[in-house]
Amino acid sequence: KAGVTQTPRYLIKTRGQQVTLSCSPISGHRSVSWYQQTPGQGLQFLFEYFSETQRNKGNFPGRFSGRQFSNSRSEMNVSTLELGDSALYLCASCRDGSYEQYFGPGTRLTVT
Amino acid sequence: AQSVTQLDSQVPVFEEAPVELRCNYSSSVSVYLFWYVQYPNQGLQLLLKYLSGSTLVKGINGFEAEFNKSQTSFHLRKPSVHISDTAEYFCAVISGTGTASKLTFGTGTRLQVTL
Repeated sequence: KAGVTQTPRYLIKTRGQQVTLSCSPISGHRSVSWYQQTPGQGLQFLFEYFSETQRNKGNFPGRFSGRQFSNSRSEMNVSTLELGDSALYLCASCRDGSYEQYFGPGTRLTVT
Repeated sequence: AQSVTQLDSQVPVFEEAPVELRCNYSSSVSVYLFWYVQYPNQGLQLLLKYLSGSTLVKGINGFEAEFNKSQTSFHLRKPSVHISDTAEYFCAVISGTGTASKLTFGTGTRLQVTL
């Protein structure tokens, strides 16, 4: 069974631009969560999508948004990028009713 | 709200020596506890989990952890480490009232194994 995949793996953007990251969950997993990992703040929960609906949300500004498609693939978007948005963005998928999250390799975003 | 404290940011250890990575949690309700490992430039891999039942849980790569409710701890142990165990280890918790997604992570412990 294929694992969680994330594209792209690396991204460099300029302050003020916007970016879209993609995540394909493990087949059969309908829950997709996003996390931001930085040296200063560690791993922080962004949001979770289940059956195309946002089910949970962390404490991030509205510049961070996401969506989920009918095939459970998910995208997250960050608008008006700031230098502080430079981070590793991790996606995780989970079977409904399970507590085990399976993580992708992440997308490393650098904002210059 | 739940929180996780990993007391050691770095743990240096010689190969074949035992190791313990400490984790304490706070939560007013029942918890589900996890240890994840992250190798350089990779995502997180689940090492082991405690959901219920036996307080001693065994995971992959020879790791084990013990859930201690009275001390609110979930320390990770391995009797003999290998160079390949060098990585960042994260303890995480989901509160009993949360959904699967609300993992709260500790700040991580860098395990450095040397010859």
